[in-house]
Amino acid sequence: GENVEQHPSTLSVQEGDSAVIKCTYSDSASNYFPWYKQELGKRPQLIIDIRSNVGEKKDQRIAVTLNKTAKHFSLHITETQPEDSAVYFCAASHSGGYNKLIFGAGTRLAVHP
Amino acid sequence: DTAVSQTPKYLVTQMGNDKSIKCEQNLGHDTMYWYKQDSKKFLKIMFSYNNKELIINETVPNRFSPKSPDKAHLNLHINSLELGDSAVYFCASSQGETGAFFGQGTRLTVV
Repeated sequence: GENVEQHPSTLSVQEGDSAVIKCTYSDSASNYFPWYKQELGKRPQLIIDIRSNVGEKKDQRIAVTLNKTAKHFSLHITETQPEDSAVYFCAASHSGGYNKLIFGAGTRLAVHP
Repeated sequence: DTAVSQTPKYLVTQMGNDKSIKCEQNLGHDTMYWYKQDSKKFLKIMFSYNNKELIINETVPNRFSPKSPDKAHLNLHINSLELGDSAVYFCASSQGETGAFFGQGTRLTVV
């Protein structure tokens, strides 16, 4: 079955710096890759997603890139702000799996003022 | 209006008891899920229902029994609770090939 690895497990940056979180997946049939942000005590919230027919997607300060050949995808946050501090999860699924999302282990991002 | 709501938010119970968590979504989605988040924050799928039919059943003890009376509701019943069942349980829903929307979670503590 699918396995998703996520790195780093913790990331500490200064406000205004960029942050990059990387994930690799094992199932070449996976074609949908969402990213979730989970603040302390809250629900995971979808922040951006990408499908396998697209190499990059941007939404304001957030971007996601996908390399299908290498089976890895990354989340890029620019101009980080303290409110970006949270745990970020990558996930992968394929259309034949009714969106059975397999999550990475999470990255705890701390943005220091 | 809350899109995916689950109750209760907190549940503290003794070992051996039976408990239920309820979930409702008003997004009109066809697919609903239960995820378990352990103390290390790892999110793992337990069950998935599509239009009231069970389609994903991960390796979950049969003490856990999901029930979907209609496509807007997915409840989780747990028998004979054990200490290791303590976790946050998230209900979620999705439509087609989109990301899942999560409920606020139920923090279950078994003592």
